[in-house]
Amino acid sequence: GPKVLQIPSHQIIDMGQMVTLNCDPVSNHLYFYWYKQILGQQMEFLVNFYNGKVMEKSKLFKDQFSVERPDGSYFTLKIQPTALEDSAVYFCASSPTGGAGQDTQYFGPGTRLLVL
Amino acid sequence: GDQVEQSPSALSLHEGTSSALRCNFTTTTRSVQWFRQNSRGSLINLFYLASGTKENGRLKSAFDSKELYSTLHIRDAQLEDSGTYFCAAEATNTGKLTFGDGTVLTVKP
Repeated sequence: GPKVLQIPSHQIIDMGQMVTLNCDPVSNHLYFYWYKQILGQQMEFLVNFYNGKVMEKSKLFKDQFSVERPDGSYFTLKIQPTALEDSAVYFCASSPTGGAGQDTQYFGPGTRLLVL
Repeated sequence: GDQVEQSPSALSLHEGTSSALRCNFTTTTRSVQWFRQNSRGSLINLFYLASGTKENGRLKSAFDSKELYSTLHIRDAQLEDSGTYFCAAEATNTGKLTFGDGTVLTVKP
């Protein structure tokens, strides 16, 4: 099936540093998402993004978080500065269309972020 | 999550047996997706439903948008079916998915 790629697969950084998580979505998809999962537990929505804009974000999407997709390149999640509670697995997803009960979201393999 | 109540939280099956997982939704839900998360943490798409039922091999899923629930039936369970199964509901029109807490399925010989 369609593949979403994420780079890097693992990242270890010191608290307070900046980190950028990269997502290469399925080529013809227009809607992009980030989710956060802590220790294999519940998956929680962070943000979705379409046409260069954030459509919806959750309370987990703190002011230190930002997303962008410059010129059709990677869809990125940047955390600046990082905090200990940001340690988690971050999943990127994409779909051809968004919402209105119309389309499947495909998930990448996740980036395992550890903040020390 | 509060909007998605998934049961059971854990399930143990012997090879060849069958069972069902269920998700109840507390708000209007436009569609539901079912995933299996394997031991490496990857999410594998199983089903997307906006209504009705779908079947794929030994798996079958149903979504009742009026009664606000979805089920995933596993028939003739195999060892490779082991993993954590998640349902996820799309309640808004922005594509946001709200996940259940997951069902840890263990299939034993």
